[in-house]
Amino acid sequence: TQLLEQSPQFLSIQEGENLTVYCNSSSVFSSLQWYRQEPGEGPVLLVTVVTGGEVKKLKRLTFQFGDARKDSSLHITAAQPGDTGLYLCAATSGTYKYIFGTGTRLKVLA
Amino acid sequence: NAGVMQNPRHLVRRRGQEARLRCSPMKGHSHVYWYRQLPEEGLKFMVYLQKENIIDESGMPKERFSAEFPKEGPSILRIQQVVRGDSAAYFCASSPDRGSEAFFGQGTRLTVV
Repeated sequence: TQLLEQSPQFLSIQEGENLTVYCNSSSVFSSLQWYRQEPGEGPVLLVTVVTGGEVKKLKRLTFQFGDARKDSSLHITAAQPGDTGLYLCAATSGTYKYIFGTGTRLKVLA
Repeated sequence: NAGVMQNPRHLVRRRGQEARLRCSPMKGHSHVYWYRQLPEEGLKFMVYLQKENIIDESGMPKERFSAEFPKEGPSILRIQQVVRGDSAAYFCASSPDRGSEAFFGQGTRLTVV
């Protein structure tokens, strides 16, 4: 069974700090996505990475796909309270079925 | 362009009743996926449907759960004789074709009392 482990599970930081969350697996994936989910809402797609070593930036968010396509990281620079939410990674081995990670619950304090 | 629409947003059912959850995919999307999210957990794949076809229902419980995506109208996830353990958020996602990026609806929160 393919598993995606996310770490840390919970993270509480002050506004302005930087942070990195990780998504790891022993399986190789053809593509990986990062979502943010706010309470009471559905996951919102942030980015899709498909190439080993790929780096994508979305304003203060930097996403990296590992060279071996088994892991990914999300780095947030100068976190803001609006970044608070549940961050989920999801990956597929080339089919339609996405496996979701366990999530990192981020809280940014003003 | 409207996103994925799910209704109702909240549904309360007594044990033993039936729950029907609806999902209208984004315009132009003919592929629908249903996921379940238990409190404090990630999303678990349930079923993948195209118009009039169930492609993969490997994540669906064997009993009481069924899904359809008719030629006309929304996709329906049906749970018969609900039990407390069915309480969860049920999310629908749609994509224009197989394996493309999927976009999620806001979910239906089912509470079984």
